[in-house]
Amino acid sequence: GAGVSQSPSNKVTEKGKDVELRCDPISGHTALYWYRQRLGQGLEFLIYFQGNSAPDKSGLPSDRFSAERTGESVSTLTIQRTQQEDSAVYLCASSFHRGFKSYFGPGTRLTVT
Amino acid sequence: QQQVKQSPQSLIVQKGGISIINCAYENTAFDYFPWYQQFPGKGPALLIAIRPDVSEKKEGRFTISFNKSAKQFSLHIMDSQPGDSATYFCAASISGNQFYFGTGTSLTVIP
Repeated sequence: GAGVSQSPSNKVTEKGKDVELRCDPISGHTALYWYRQRLGQGLEFLIYFQGNSAPDKSGLPSDRFSAERTGESVSTLTIQRTQQEDSAVYLCASSFHRGFKSYFGPGTRLTVT
Repeated sequence: QQQVKQSPQSLIVQKGGISIINCAYENTAFDYFPWYQQFPGKGPALLIAIRPDVSEKKEGRFTISFNKSAKQFSLHIMDSQPGDSATYFCAASISGNQFYFGTGTSLTVIP
């Protein structure tokens, strides 16, 4: 069956530009998470959506980062005025309901030049 | 502040040996402890998980040992194989809300 998909797989952008990353969760999964993974480091929680509840944005590193999710479907992570330190792999995960078995997408590798 | 501390950072094991990766946490509210396996260029994949009401869980060659009083849990890979070479992450969660990950362990199994 279809897993979590993310697009684009790679994105190179110039410093100062805005980027939008997309996540398509597994159908029926109400929980969706975004993480950032810097080279050689662990996963850093960014934001969590659960159904129609207000998202947990506690991991967003600055107000340049925002994310949206329409219902229980697609989510987009937007980074405005990108900086070189934003270069990382951005991973999305979804689960049937609030965590437990989370399935990760392949990630989007963002490079800010 | 690192909510989950993982060690070692890297590990080299001979084929057939036992790989052991350790994690420690502070927040006693954590109630779900998964381990993820990540191959280069791929997203992490859930390997095995445990809840604090059991001290051990085994799935094939993979075993989680959980010590609630010490607030520690570990992953044991028995009969390690070269195909097990990957980065392993432990994590902790409160009721499936945001997950806190360890910094990862790069495992290399040499033939």
